Amino acid sequence: EIVLTQSPGTLSLSPGERATLSCRASQSVSSSHLAWYQQKPGQAPRLLIYGASSRATGIPDRFSGSGSGTDFTLTISRLEPEDFAVYYCQQYGTSPFHFGPGTKVDIK
Amino acid sequence: EVQLVESGGGLVQPGGSLRLSCAASGFTFSTYAMSWVRQAPGKGLEWVSGISGSGAGTYYADSVKGRFVISRDNSKNTLYLQMNSLRAEDTAVYYCAKASSDGYTLGVYWGQGTLVTVSS
Repeated sequence: EIVLTQSPGTLSLSPGERATLSCRASQSVSSSHLAWYQQKPGQAPRLLIYGASSRATGIPDRFSGSGSGTDFTLTISRLEPEDFAVYYCQQYGTSPFHFGPGTKVDIK
Repeated sequence: EVQLVESGGGLVQPGGSLRLSCAASGFTFSTYAMSWVRQAPGKGLEWVSGISGSGAGTYYADSVKGRFVISRDNSKNTLYLQMNSLRAEDTAVYYCAKASSDGYTLGVYWGQGTLVTVSS
């Protein structure tokens, strides 16, 4: 099975700063099957990025995804107040379709 | 507008059973794979189970294999999760999620979740 590791566990930044989140897979993942989700307290997850680099409908262009193989990155170019949340990567290519443990982006 | 509404959660004793439902609307239900994802209190997301659009293909996390059964009734636009032999560690909010049309992304749309509490 493919295990996803995310780093850092917590990222403390100020509004306006750039956030770089990492997702590493234990074996190669098809880029088509790598997604990033955002979750705020008390809310369901929201799809941000699919296919490793494509933004979902309605997602601002300050969010971008990149990577291939075993290393993937989510970048938020300039943090807005509403971006402070937990971010999960997930692979949907090979069952079981694990999520990573998440990266919490909090306000410094 | 796509809507996913989960129901059936509640308090159940260890060893008991519960059936969750997810009522779908706003899309052609039978053509999309669906999944159940759970989140224990204060923890991360855990994929639980998935099912193809036709229902012919089903998938399970090791943690629930042999205890949970996913199914769907395409005539009723409803997804189900039958949970048996429940354990304290199954306590979580359970979300249903709709996959993308190409089947490459698990959760394009999500319900708001239903809470399952396993406790004596």
